Amino acid sequence: QKEVEQDPGPLSVPEGAIVSLNCTYSNSAFQYFMWYRQYSRKGPELLMYTYSSGNKEDGRFTAQVDKSSKYISLFIRDSQPSDSATYLCAMSEASGSARQLTFGSGTQLTVLP
Amino acid sequence: GAVVSQHPSWVICKSGTSVKIECRSLDFQATTMFWYRQFPKQSLMLMATSNEGSKATYEQGVEKDKFLINHASLTLSTLTVTSAHPEDSSFYICSASRIRVWSTEAFFGQGTRLTVV
Repeated sequence: QKEVEQDPGPLSVPEGAIVSLNCTYSNSAFQYFMWYRQYSRKGPELLMYTYSSGNKEDGRFTAQVDKSSKYISLFIRDSQPSDSATYLCAMSEASGSARQLTFGSGTQLTVLP
Repeated sequence: GAVVSQHPSWVICKSGTSVKIECRSLDFQATTMFWYRQFPKQSLMLMATSNEGSKATYEQGVEKDKFLINHASLTLSTLTVTSAHPEDSSFYICSASRIRVWSTEAFFGQGTRLTVV
């Protein structure tokens, strides 16, 4: 079993839809949770960063962390064609100053105009 | 947000030659950088952890003599693929961690697409 599971998709939605992306994990020591967006042939771009359980909102993006269920989500409201990309969840333990990320496999999202 | 610059963005080299990829943190100091490899439609695979002023730590299965890492300063790490072969063709990405009191955030370079012919 992988430490982080993420539905690879692909996921296609019409413009304006609400998108829900999810990851589950098995390591209860994870405390830092991130979502990255990766366009084709580009490096990942940090979208959201959360610590422990709770919600965080940034514009059209909302990140949720439920540590009791070992489940994190990223919601995209009013999705746009420019949101079409691969979304990677990532997480890490609180292990001092040098933290390694464990990534999900990524979900490929296409927003259709 | 913080910027991590990776160069070159793409390179084609002949089999048997060596290729150097640079990773720079432009607006913060990074004592630790990470090098990843990514195959098409797959997630990032950590290759090694680059520590400023000391030897890199390689993940299991990654040949340290083939993938030479040098982290000579707080803003620069380099990955050299030595004696490259076609199977080394891949997308290589570096990341650098910006450490703050309340968080440690990892920022990624643009990636380098290596093609060995």
